[in-house]
Amino acid sequence: GAVVSQHPSRVICKSGTSVKIECRSLDFQATTMFWYRQFPKQSLMLMATSNEGSKATYEQGVEKDKFLINHASLTLSTLTVTSAHPEDSSFYICSARDTGLGEQFFGPGTRLTVL
Amino acid sequence: GQQLNQSPQSMFIQEGEDVSMNCTSSSIFNTWLWYKQEPGEGPVLLIALYKAGELTSNGRLTAQFGITRKDSFLNISASIPSDVGIYFCAGQITGGGNKLTFGTGTQLKVEL
Repeated sequence: GAVVSQHPSRVICKSGTSVKIECRSLDFQATTMFWYRQFPKQSLMLMATSNEGSKATYEQGVEKDKFLINHASLTLSTLTVTSAHPEDSSFYICSARDTGLGEQFFGPGTRLTVL
Repeated sequence: GQQLNQSPQSMFIQEGEDVSMNCTSSSIFNTWLWYKQEPGEGPVLLIALYKAGELTSNGRLTAQFGITRKDSFLNISASIPSDVGIYFCAGQITGGGNKLTFGTGTQLKVEL
């Protein structure tokens, strides 16, 4: 089946630093990828839709200047959490929509801990 | 953002029992999906439903797309220990940018 990878799988950083998370579709092309955030014991909440070659679309309440998204190729989207604070600590999950099949496949997630 | 309501929130069952969980929404969806998530991992698709009234099985799992298009249920028959995890429903609207709206989740624990 289709595979989506995320890197890193977990990261610990100091408050005020920026962290970049990569999402890659390994065996298919994805013009659209999605970024979710999941707090402990809660559901997945969509943060933004990442579109290859164009600006990301952010959900209401998500700061676009804090969560920078770049989708420079058909297989890679990156999420950069800028000036991270402890409240940004969460599980960040991406999904990639197979351009041909239309189905979405999820990555394994990235655990971010901000000290 | 909007969330779909799932019930029960959690359940503790005996191995071998059948399990039923459901998902309801105040708005209509064109596609219903059921996912399973294990600790520290991303969700994995179990079943996808594309038409109102559709009943689809995947091994011991059976899911139905409600006639009103505002609900769906998932049944697991003869549960086994590896069924442990959190089950999420998700709804999708055609033309909605392919965005998924996730349910609140049902945590399943299986007692040996």
